[in-house]
Amino acid sequence: EVQLVQSGAEIKRPGTTVTISCKVNGFALSDYYLHFLRQAPGGGLEWMGFLDGRDGETVYAGSFQGRLIISADISKGTANMELSSLTSEDTALYYCARVPPTMYFFDTWGQGTLVTVSS
Amino acid sequence: EIVLTQSPPSLSLSPGERATLSCRASESVSRHLAWYQQKPGQAPRLLIFDVSTRATGIPARFSGTGSGTDFTLTISSLEPEDSAVYYCQQRNNWPPTITFGPGTRVEVK
Repeated sequence: EVQLVQSGAEIKRPGTTVTISCKVNGFALSDYYLHFLRQAPGGGLEWMGFLDGRDGETVYAGSFQGRLIISADISKGTANMELSSLTSEDTALYYCARVPPTMYFFDTWGQGTLVTVSS
Repeated sequence: EIVLTQSPPSLSLSPGERATLSCRASESVSRHLAWYQQKPGQAPRLLIFDVSTRATGIPARFSGTGSGTDFTLTISSLEPEDSAVYYCQQRNNWPPTITFGPGTRVEVK
């Protein structure tokens, strides 16, 4: 079964860094784009960036430049999203999602990871 | 960057009625337009891609139309389980970034 399994909920202090992992099952990460998105409480979907599983290239949304890193261990089928300099505005449900090669839409989503930033 | 707007923000309809959801782009997005359904407590689910192609397992009552900058998601005969927020999404060519509309909340009661 094709699945994306994310790591568990996190509570972080302002100014710190959170790392979320996304384990792929049922397909090869090297064949797909792996994206991260987030959704603030009661809000809409916000795209953050992606990693091309074929060559490891990354593209980030401008609003996250400088504090977002997406990486992957292709052999383990795991992608990681690291967001630094956290503020309360980063409190959200974070998703990883798969995009098929040459496509643009998300056909498989992780279950979501809640990140709460609070002092 | 292309901006997507959705209308109406919300609508409330009865089972069996037709729902018409609009998504407008600030400039042409060709056919790279997708729709998602998100129910409370769940991740979004892909409904439609390439404007009008239903994703695997999506019922035929969901259909997409449009071109250029104006797109529509139609739910032909609403069922109670269609209560959800619906988002449209497109991809910018360069840089290859993704944008979503703000969503339309559909209540079926």
